[in-house]
Amino acid sequence: NAGVMQNPRHLVRRRGQEARLRCSPMKGHSHVYWYRQLPEEGLKFMVYLQKENIIDESGMPKERFSAEFPKEGPSILRIQQVVRGDSAAYFCASSPGDGSFWPQHFGDGTRLSIL
Amino acid sequence: AQKITQTQPGMFVQEKEAVTLDCTYDTSDQSYGLFWYKQPSSGEMIFLIYQGSYDEQNATEGRYSLNFQKARKSANLVISASQLGDSAMYFCAMRELTGNQFYFGTGTSLTVIP
Repeated sequence: NAGVMQNPRHLVRRRGQEARLRCSPMKGHSHVYWYRQLPEEGLKFMVYLQKENIIDESGMPKERFSAEFPKEGPSILRIQQVVRGDSAAYFCASSPGDGSFWPQHFGDGTRLSIL
Repeated sequence: AQKITQTQPGMFVQEKEAVTLDCTYDTSDQSYGLFWYKQPSSGEMIFLIYQGSYDEQNATEGRYSLNFQKARKSANLVISASQLGDSAMYFCAMRELTGNQFYFGTGTSLTVIP
């Protein structure tokens, strides 16, 4: 899958716990995007990050959700105090730049299940 | 208004036949890119093909081609010589030059019948 690595592949949490989803972009890619896919739906944009910067978080819920892409290490999508409605597949994508129409290469996703 | 509309929730095609998956888009930007992704039952998202708004020729990638009709704002995916392994969800997506995100349609589930 062209090298975007997401882990874990599956994550089970109880209501009220925290979920941390990790994404390592393809080698040479400095732009990371997070999407959420609810069952039977398409992907919905959440947030766009470059190293140490959040560029666009217009798709992120205002509460409980946060994302980071530190100088070293993977990008992290963090969901605090999870609720049943957070159950979804979360995809990370990366691209080398945002100035043109690079296709975004996706990881295999993290399937989050809330008990 | 929906940025990407895929009106076919499910499609069936006979093996070795061609199939067209519909996609219409809505944008006021002059510069944009259109993409198709395949999502098999295993869940990963696989990039298939890209068309730029200024490209005069329809994009082709192996058995995939994109029927781009700019005036109609449509970007249909054509799969020729369908194979059983083509059974999957197919998503049309768009990115506007002025924006950061990809907009995805709701997808079309394609089933190839032996």
